[in-house]
Amino acid sequence: QKEVEQNSGPLSVPEGAIASLNCTYSDRGSQSFFWYRQYSGKSPELIMFIYSNGDKEDGRFTAQLNKASQYVSLLIRDSQPSDSATYLCAVRNPYNFNKFYFGSGTKLNVKP
Amino acid sequence: DVKVTQSSRYLVKRTGEKVFLECVQDMDHENMFWYRQDPGLGLRLIYFSYDVKMKEKGDIPEGYSVSREKKERFSLILESASTNQTSMYLCASSLRGGTQETQYFGPGTRLLVL
Repeated sequence: QKEVEQNSGPLSVPEGAIASLNCTYSDRGSQSFFWYRQYSGKSPELIMFIYSNGDKEDGRFTAQLNKASQYVSLLIRDSQPSDSATYLCAVRNPYNFNKFYFGSGTKLNVKP
Repeated sequence: DVKVTQSSRYLVKRTGEKVFLECVQDMDHENMFWYRQDPGLGLRLIYFSYDVKMKEKGDIPEGYSVSREKKERFSLILESASTNQTSMYLCASSLRGGTQETQYFGPGTRLLVL
């Protein structure tokens, strides 16, 4: 079982819609969770992190964490074609804070 | 602004060659990492370093070695390149510890081994 699992997609949404990206993790002791965006041919860039149960909002982005169910989500409101990218979920190793586990990413296509 | 740079964007090497990939960060970060990224497999940690001359194996260290002689520089070495090492290599850095500290990535080196 992988430490972090994501649906590879592609997920297609029309412009202006809400895109919902999901990630599950296997280690119940995990505490810190990160969402990265990666444009084709580019390196990952951090969108936001979350470590408390519930929702965390930053502009059009909302991260949701449910530790009991071991999943973390990223919602993108008012999706734009410029949001088209691969979104990587990352979980910090709870036993070695220097290490991260990454999912394989979900490809999002926002259609004009 | 955090800056992580990598010595090459694209590299073509032949099987059996020794390959050096260099990474430099300018934010005085303690931690530095080397990942490879392959379609469908995501980012996999090769090695990381938490201090000068200190290193720890990641999930796929076989066929690789690393060197960290200075805090800002972390090198990945392929002792004898093989075709299955064709991949995108990403370097990252971060501050040590803390639940909120994230990693900052370099632009990546796309390596092709013929």
